[in-house]
Amino acid sequence: DTGVSQNPRHKITKRGQNVTFRCDPISEHNRLYWYRQTLGQGPEFLTYFQNEAQLEKSRLLSDRFSAERPKGSFSTLEIQRTEQGDSAMYLCASSPQGALGYTFGSGTRLTVV
Amino acid sequence: KQEVTQIPAALSVPEGENLVLNCSFTDSAIYNLQWFRQDPGKGLTSLLLIQSSQREQTSGRLNASLDKSSGRSTLYIAASQPGDSATYLCAVSGTSWGKLQFGAGTQVVVTP
Repeated sequence: DTGVSQNPRHKITKRGQNVTFRCDPISEHNRLYWYRQTLGQGPEFLTYFQNEAQLEKSRLLSDRFSAERPKGSFSTLEIQRTEQGDSAMYLCASSPQGALGYTFGSGTRLTVV
Repeated sequence: KQEVTQIPAALSVPEGENLVLNCSFTDSAIYNLQWFRQDPGKGLTSLLLIQSSQREQTSGRLNASLDKSSGRSTLYIAASQPGDSATYLCAVSGTSWGKLQFGAGTQVVVTP
């Protein structure tokens, strides 16, 4: 297992377009998290999955954002009608049930032009 | 609402000096506190995790302390090296399922 994998690493899109990011967590981790990080700030929580169930969503996750984790394996984060304010690094992390350690992926950097 | 603050925002030291990074949080009802390292344009690497019942954790040249009552944690890095140059982030978890609240980080530069 090579850790948490995120694709693509970079995405440049025009304002108004839809984008989708993928996260493949560590296989035995049933908890999965999405965070967003802007320049000079710490990551901000977006949403949390336990297996396939989305149990928590931040107010930051507007109606244009949707996340899924079918079958409790990989997860996707989709942003519809992108805006320049969506430009950020989107980070995925996973952890095992009952344990405390996080493993983060390398992130997907989104630039909206 | 939990707020996490890291001071200083940036720090530059010559190689060999010890580093002291500070983190404060406003709500002492936490499950754990973690320290992460982030290299430019990269994801986060977990360094140390301190559970709420613990006072400190050590790993190699790194030592982190936790004082829940005063809402503070300190990360010590002994005998700094240029490879320690990075941004260091602290994060607290106030939930059993692990939602993290991050500080803005301290950017560290270690000069040869």
